[in-house]
Amino acid sequence: QSALTQPASVSGSPGQSITISCTGTSSDVGGYNYVSWYQQHPGKAPKLMIYEVSNRPSGVPDRFSGSKSGNTASLTISGLQAEDEADYYCSSYTSSSTVVFGGGTKLTVL
Amino acid sequence: EVQLVQSGAEVKKPGESLKISCKGSGYSFTSYWIGWVRQMPGKGLEWMGIIYPGDSDTRYSPSFQGQVTISADKSISTAYLQWSSLKASDTAMYYCARGARAVADFDYWGQGTLVTVSS
Repeated sequence: QSALTQPASVSGSPGQSITISCTGTSSDVGGYNYVSWYQQHPGKAPKLMIYEVSNRPSGVPDRFSGSKSGNTASLTISGLQAEDEADYYCSSYTSSSTVVFGGGTKLTVL
Repeated sequence: EVQLVQSGAEVKKPGESLKISCKGSGYSFTSYWIGWVRQMPGKGLEWMGIIYPGDSDTRYSPSFQGQVTISADKSISTAYLQWSSLKASDTAMYYCARGARAVADFDYWGQGTLVTVSS
């Protein structure tokens, strides 16, 4: 199974909104509503930000939202803050009953 | 409080074997999947595999099938990731994580175990 496709980097200014895409196939992203998003700061373990496409775990700000259309999922961060600068990874359940991650996107807050 | 505590950093030579651990506490260890994720230096996350300690049901990514073994000892709430013959390319940070909703996503993560393989 191939990694899901994410842009290598995105950037935005404080207060702006950004969207990170995550493209897979009908065997993963498009076939299941089991897309998750993780945030990882340098030297830290990843943190779950979105699960099942659009659900936020307790404690995650509502500035973070997720959606999906066809084989592409998206993470949107509104009201960008300096602490949002991190790497972001999507993941999806697959038809092989396993999970695949995206390649990761580095978010820079200008 | 849910915690996953991993074993310490390891430095090994190519060809050596290794088993790293992940001890869960603060929840019913046998009721949640535990997965392993590799992160090579400066690279992204890779899903390696996952185990359900309740019945030892185990699934592997095709990329890691046959390369590593995932196991669990429910009597001590500990999951393991092992190699029989390490390669330099196994140098990476390895994270264990708890499956929040079956295998689909991870809600709690260990602190990571750095494995360095060098002659």
